[in-house]
Amino acid sequence: EDKVVQSPLSLVVHEGDTVTLNCSYEVTNFRSLLWYKQEKKAPTFLFMLTSSGIEKKSGRLSSILDKKELFSILNITATQTGDSAIYLCAVLTGTYKYIFGTGTRLKVLA
Amino acid sequence: EAQVTQNPRYLITVTGKKLTVTCSQNMNHEYMSWYRQDPGLGLRQIYYSMNVEVTDKGDVPEGYKVSRKEKRNFPLILESPSPNQTSLYFCASIVGNEAFFGQGTRLTVV
Repeated sequence: EDKVVQSPLSLVVHEGDTVTLNCSYEVTNFRSLLWYKQEKKAPTFLFMLTSSGIEKKSGRLSSILDKKELFSILNITATQTGDSAIYLCAVLTGTYKYIFGTGTRLKVLA
Repeated sequence: EAQVTQNPRYLITVTGKKLTVTCSQNMNHEYMSWYRQDPGLGLRQIYYSMNVEVTDKGDVPEGYKVSRKEKRNFPLILESPSPNQTSLYFCASIVGNEAFFGQGTRLTVV
């Protein structure tokens, strides 16, 4: 059965800390891995990763994929209270099914 | 402005009373999908559609129907809602592996 597992489930840090969120997957036919941020309602797109070892970066956020070990990490440096959200990892399979992990709830304290 | 519009945003209904949640996108995307989000379970795919008149089951299709008569609309139909369908529902329109989500519909079935 295809699955995506995220860890930790929940995380509380102070402003300025660096966090690393993990996403591991087992799917029969991998196309891409995506990270989303969900604040109040709808998830919003952060990164799409298809190749191993190539870091995607946007400001203080960065992500990398390891297709051999079947995982991805999302790093957030110098966290701010506005980073508080649920971070979702999803894998798009060859049959165009999206499989989401349960998410990591991040809370950044001032 | 590119958007995915769901209606209604909130709905409380009684068991067995048929309902439809509408989803419309203005981006001319071929791929659309429905998800439900429940605490501890993340986002789970209900149905998806790769094009007009083409629909496929996701991971949790039981109790739901969809139709795709035109490219922009992808309604979710609950013929006989039950309390276990109480959830937060998202419609997404997808292009190039990236999903654009609607604002969500919070459904309560009593």
